[in-house]
Amino acid sequence: NAGVTQTPKFRVLKTGQSMTLLCAQDMNHEYMYWYRQDPGMGLRLIHYSVGEGTTAKGEVPDGYNVSRLKKQNFLLGLESAAPSQTSVYFCASSYEGITQYFGPGTRLLVL
Amino acid sequence: GDSVTQMEGPVTLSEEAFLTINCTYTATGYPSLFWYVQYPGEGLQLLLKATKADDKGSNKGFEATYRKETTSFHLEKGSVQVSDSAVYFCARNNAGNMLTFGGGTRLMVKP
Repeated sequence: NAGVTQTPKFRVLKTGQSMTLLCAQDMNHEYMYWYRQDPGMGLRLIHYSVGEGTTAKGEVPDGYNVSRLKKQNFLLGLESAAPSQTSVYFCASSYEGITQYFGPGTRLLVL
Repeated sequence: GDSVTQMEGPVTLSEEAFLTINCTYTATGYPSLFWYVQYPGEGLQLLLKATKADDKGSNKGFEATYRKETTSFHLEKGSVQVSDSAVYFCARNNAGNMLTFGGGTRLMVKP
C-alpha cells in the first residue's frame, strides 16, 4: 500500500494564479482532511470530508475549495492564489475519524 | 473551543538523556489523545495514542499516559538518540472527527 500520496511535491505560483492539489489514499478510508502548516502555528484544518461526495469547512477555509468525487481522492483548489497561502499543505485520511494518517506534504510558494 | 497546549521548543538534549515534552488539553468531552512526529522534510507520523483515561500509549521507547485529573498527556523517553531529532505534535480529537494540534515542539539531540 502506498498510503496517502500528494501531488505535486512543490509548486511556485504567481499571485492570482490557480492550482489544484491532489491527495490520494489506497486504504479505503472514509474521512479525508486538508491542513496547512505554518511556522509557529502547528497544523490548521482547511476542509475535510466524511465520505464520497461530502465536504465541510475547517478552521481556515477562506480562499480554498475542495471536492471529493471519488472516495480515494480529495482535491484542494486555490482559485486565485495569494502570498498568504504560501505554506506546506498536508492531506490526511482516517478509517474511523479518529486516527489520521498523513501524506508527505506539498510545499507551495506564492509570489 | 477545544485546544492543546504543548511546551515551546526547541528542546536540546544530549544523547541518552531523559526526555519529557509536556502537553495539556481542554477537558471537553472524552477525547482520544495522540502524539505525532515529523522528521525533517516529511509528513506527520503517528507515534502513539491513548483512547481513555489512564491508558498508556507506547512506541519506539516513547510513552505517554492519559491523565484525566490533570488533563495532560506528557511524552517521555528514557534515553533519546540522535535519530529522535524531529518535531513532536500533541493532538486531541473532537466531536466532529477532527484533530486539534498543539503548536509542536522541536527536539534536537546532540551526540
